[in-house]
Amino acid sequence: QKEVEQNSGPLSVPEGAIASLNCTYSDRGSQSFFWYRQYSGKSPELIMFIYSNGDKEDGRFTAQLNKASQYVSLLIRDSQPSDSATYLCAVKGRMGSGTYKYIFGTGTRLKVLA
Amino acid sequence: SAVISQKPSRDICQRGTSLTIQCQVDSQVTMMFWYRQQPGQSLTLIATANQGSEATYESGFVIDKFPISRPNLTFSTLTVSNMSPEDSSIYLCSAIAGFTDTQYFGPGTRLTVL
Repeated sequence: QKEVEQNSGPLSVPEGAIASLNCTYSDRGSQSFFWYRQYSGKSPELIMFIYSNGDKEDGRFTAQLNKASQYVSLLIRDSQPSDSATYLCAVKGRMGSGTYKYIFGTGTRLKVLA
Repeated sequence: SAVISQKPSRDICQRGTSLTIQCQVDSQVTMMFWYRQQPGQSLTLIATANQGSEATYESGFVIDKFPISRPNLTFSTLTVSNMSPEDSSIYLCSAIAGFTDTQYFGPGTRLTVL
């Protein structure tokens, strides 16, 4: 069973701080990694994707990937109360016969305190 | 990216009835999926909607209960059949656009079964 693990939280950080969200995955063959943000009552929206080891920055968001450790993280700099949401990690894994499946973690709830 | 719409946005249904949810994408997409999300839970993949052929269902989901159609590259329907209160959930359509492997989500359909 291919899995994606996240700490459910809530992770509470003060406004202006760096929020660090972590995700581990079990399938060593996974190639693509995604972070989604989901506000309560809304559908997931894509924040970032990362394919290669290292860091990828987009505004206040940085995704970090370490395939050797099977670990992907999302850093949110200068956290704002509007960042309070559930963050879902998703991994695209090969299922065989050329098919793929996207596996989602259970999400980490982030609370940014004003 | 892809813009995805779903109809209806919400419905309240009686036990034993069926509801069909429509999903429309604004551009041609390679893959379409249907998910279920219980309150406070992560996403559960119901099936991959295949164009012109039978959907590929995940373990625990069967065609008789969740028939899916995908007559073309931009449209799919999910029917929740013979509903019970346990089917109360948010149902989400998603799609992979173009030559990317990034998944985008529709706004969801909130279903309540009495």
